[in-house]
Amino acid sequence: DAGVIQSPRHEVTEMGQEVTLRCKPISGHNSLFWYRQTMMRGLELLIYFNNNVPIDDSGMPEDRFSAKMPNASFSTLKIQPSEPRDSAVYFCASSLRGNQPQHFGDGTRLSIL
Amino acid sequence: SQQGEEDPQALSIQEGENATMNCSYKTSINNLQWYRQNSGRGLVHLILIRSNEREKHSGRLRVTLDTSKKSSSLLITASRAADTASYFCATPPGYSSASKIIFGSGTRLSIRP
Repeated sequence: DAGVIQSPRHEVTEMGQEVTLRCKPISGHNSLFWYRQTMMRGLELLIYFNNNVPIDDSGMPEDRFSAKMPNASFSTLKIQPSEPRDSAVYFCASSLRGNQPQHFGDGTRLSIL
Repeated sequence: SQQGEEDPQALSIQEGENATMNCSYKTSINNLQWYRQNSGRGLVHLILIRSNEREKHSGRLRVTLDTSKKSSSLLITASRAADTASYFCATPPGYSSASKIIFGSGTRLSIRP
């Protein structure tokens, strides 16, 4: 079975550029989560969706960040414009329901120069 | 603020020894989950223990839960080099099945050969 698929695995771009991270959750999972992980701040929940609807986006750091889930098999996290402090590993995870075990992708390592 | 906090932050033991990590949380829960993260990878779910359970086993893993003390422990017996990773506890705040889960800051476990 395919797990959670994230793309790209690595992204290096200059500040000010738009960055789009993509995620394909496990088929049949109803909840999708976006996290950011850094050494300083650990693992932070940015936003999560239930049945494609955003439920809690209180972790989204600024208006520069936006996330969409147009259907049950695809989600994007967009940063526009990007800044060096956005450099981190971004994970997508999915689960059958919100409080059940989550399955993580291998992340996107983002570097903003 | 973190819902769960692991202790210790870092642990280094000899291969073959047992490793114990602890997790404390703040609010009532209906389950508690443990995850492992290998370097450069996403988190992997290890075990879920429900609030009405006191102990659960999975292979070399043993998890205990004390809801009166709001604490849990993860024991890895007969450790192996491959157990080197970070370990996180995660709890859903509240009882709603639609809720998110919140991760602690993790314990970095190193197994010395």
